[in-house]
Amino acid sequence: ETGVTQTPRHLVMGMTNKKSLKCEQHLGHNAMYWYKQSAKKPLELMFVYSLEERVENNSVPSRFSPECPNSSHLFLHLHTLQPEDSALYLCASSQVFQGQNTEAFFGQGTRLTVV
Amino acid sequence: GEDVEQSLFLSVREGDSSVINCTYTDSSSTYLYWYKQEPGAGLQLLTYIFSNMDMKQDQRLTVLLNKKDKHLSLRIADTQTGDSAIYFCAESIRGSGAGSYQLTFGKGTKLSVIP
Repeated sequence: ETGVTQTPRHLVMGMTNKKSLKCEQHLGHNAMYWYKQSAKKPLELMFVYSLEERVENNSVPSRFSPECPNSSHLFLHLHTLQPEDSALYLCASSQVFQGQNTEAFFGQGTRLTVV
Repeated sequence: GEDVEQSLFLSVREGDSSVINCTYTDSSSTYLYWYKQEPGAGLQLLTYIFSNMDMKQDQRLTVLLNKKDKHLSLRIADTQTGDSAIYFCAESIRGSGAGSYQLTFGKGTKLSVIP
């Protein structure tokens, strides 16, 4: 248990569905992240929220929409996904202070399959 | 080219030492990390090293950093079957947004331990 909890652990959805991934951190961190892990590719950073403000958006398609209502919760809203979006989606949190970043702690991930 | 590079596979016998190597490109990295991912799980932070250090030892783990060559290695002493996993090297770099940091990962090295 790393202090970062993701739900659901597994999700199968059709291309016309709308679903949301949830992430909650209990570490008091002030930054949260969404990463996508596909087979045979490096982890791809999707979004970064620092102090609840989105500070990174790495050209992710608009069918992925993040939401960070407070420093402990992060959502990834999914809409009209494609089969190539099937992957493991990892949430992470870290503490950013005095111009430095500590290590990131990851959740267990949500295994998403788009059919 | 990729920012962080690792060899994809490593196979060792139980009881031997494993050495996993990584090269990175961003000389402004402040922290470098090793994460472990077991099948079906998220990433677990194993250890990290600050960029002004050459070596860090933590029980069976030894991290060596050659900042001149931008080379990082992880040595696992007395490798056990439970060490079989994918090991990711990552560097922390400043992102484009204010107060933004992000981790850049390699593709991971799959360590197989032969009994």
